Amino acid sequence: AQSVTQPDIHITVSEGASLELRCNYSYGATPYLFWYVQSPGQGLQLLLKYFSGDTLVQGIKGFEAEFKRSQSSFNLRKPSVHWSDAAEYFCAVGSIYNNNDMRFGAGTRLTVKP
Amino acid sequence: DAGVIQSPRHEVTEMGQEVTLRCKPISGHDYLFWYRQTMMRGLELLIYFNNNVPIDDSGMPEDRFSAKMPNASFSTLKIQPSEPRDSAVYFCASSYTQSGGLSSGNTIYFGEGSWLTVV
Repeated sequence: AQSVTQPDIHITVSEGASLELRCNYSYGATPYLFWYVQSPGQGLQLLLKYFSGDTLVQGIKGFEAEFKRSQSSFNLRKPSVHWSDAAEYFCAVGSIYNNNDMRFGAGTRLTVKP
Repeated sequence: DAGVIQSPRHEVTEMGQEVTLRCKPISGHDYLFWYRQTMMRGLELLIYFNNNVPIDDSGMPEDRFSAKMPNASFSTLKIQPSEPRDSAVYFCASSYTQSGGLSSGNTIYFGEGSWLTVV
């Protein structure tokens, strides 16, 4: 079964600085990959997803992620972080054989310093 | 466009009481999921339905938990009797089957969650 690891539990960046959140997956075939964001007291909102095609995926709120098969990674990036980006970020991997068998990482909590 | 709607948003109940969480998926979606989120275990899939039929309930923690989907627009997750360790955020989510075979993938849309505290 597929699995996903988010190595960083908590990251702090200054407002305006660039951001990269790491995600590594384990799956025997090409996975479906997702990034979700969860603001305090809220549900999960989809930021972006990769199913096939271009390995650089653009999402909402200025986020992007790059699928690197050789590194089994799908890192999330943003060139300039805003205070409103403070939230919990979840990477998820789905199986191409069962789209609904999606596994989530433990999450990375982002703190933004003024 | 209405998203996944869950109720109640917050519930505090006493140990031993029955808890019923409700979910209305996005109209037209044929998959419905129930997840549980805790600090210790993160986000766990409890059960999911396809066209109102339970497909995989291997994540349901024990017999105290049950889920139903009587029609395409409504599902419940019931805990009876509830215990303090059931305190968590319970998310309902839905998705629809895309055409295109293996090159397509479903996107799962989450509700805002039901925050359950059992005291």
